[in-house]
Amino acid sequence: DAGVTQSPTHLIKTRGQQVTLRCSPKSGHDTVSWYQQALGQGPQFIFQYYEEEERQRGNFPDRFSGHQFPNYSSELNVNALLLGDSALYLCASSLVGGRNTEAFFGQGTRLTVV
Amino acid sequence: AQKITQTQPGMFVQEKEAVTLDCTYDTSDPSYGLFWYKQPSSGEMIFLIYQGSYDQQNATEGRYSLNFQKARKSANLVISASQLGDSAMYFCAMSALISSGSARQLTFGSGTQLTVLP
Repeated sequence: DAGVTQSPTHLIKTRGQQVTLRCSPKSGHDTVSWYQQALGQGPQFIFQYYEEEERQRGNFPDRFSGHQFPNYSSELNVNALLLGDSALYLCASSLVGGRNTEAFFGQGTRLTVV
Repeated sequence: AQKITQTQPGMFVQEKEAVTLDCTYDTSDPSYGLFWYKQPSSGEMIFLIYQGSYDQQNATEGRYSLNFQKARKSANLVISASQLGDSAMYFCAMSALISSGSARQLTFGSGTQLTVLP
């Protein structure tokens, strides 16, 4: 049973560019959440997708957007990259109505903005 | 608003000894869940243990136990019989619980770097 998978694992982008990160949830899960983890800090919630809609959003600018597809996979898009966007981006999947322990994370995408 | 505080940036423990990682929280939600995750240098967040705010007993998962003191708003993680492979960053997190039974977003603390010494 595959867990949460994210791609790519590492990425280097130039300031001002746009980036797309991808996440496939654990089999049977229907909800995807995205987190940003800056170096030396805990993860910060970006947003959560369920039924192809953004259900919750953290304190992130509109440069951060997302999408969820009918197969529950998700993308995180960041426009006009800033140096401060350099971080580990984590995807977590869960099941609405499932046990609250069932929030599994992927291995993350390390984004470096130069 | 929710807040998680982890006051130990780093901890050392001798192999085979027990260690307690501290976590205090603050929330106005009547129903919430508390989580502990382990993050090795590879980056993946590994779920360790969960405690619901209405659970009567402290949660245990193998060598991990959660010392839940609701009145003090603390949820400390106890690792028994530490192993070298336990060396990692440990995060405490919480989430409000909504009526559907699923968790809202997780709020994380700043983490504790645990080093197990041989």
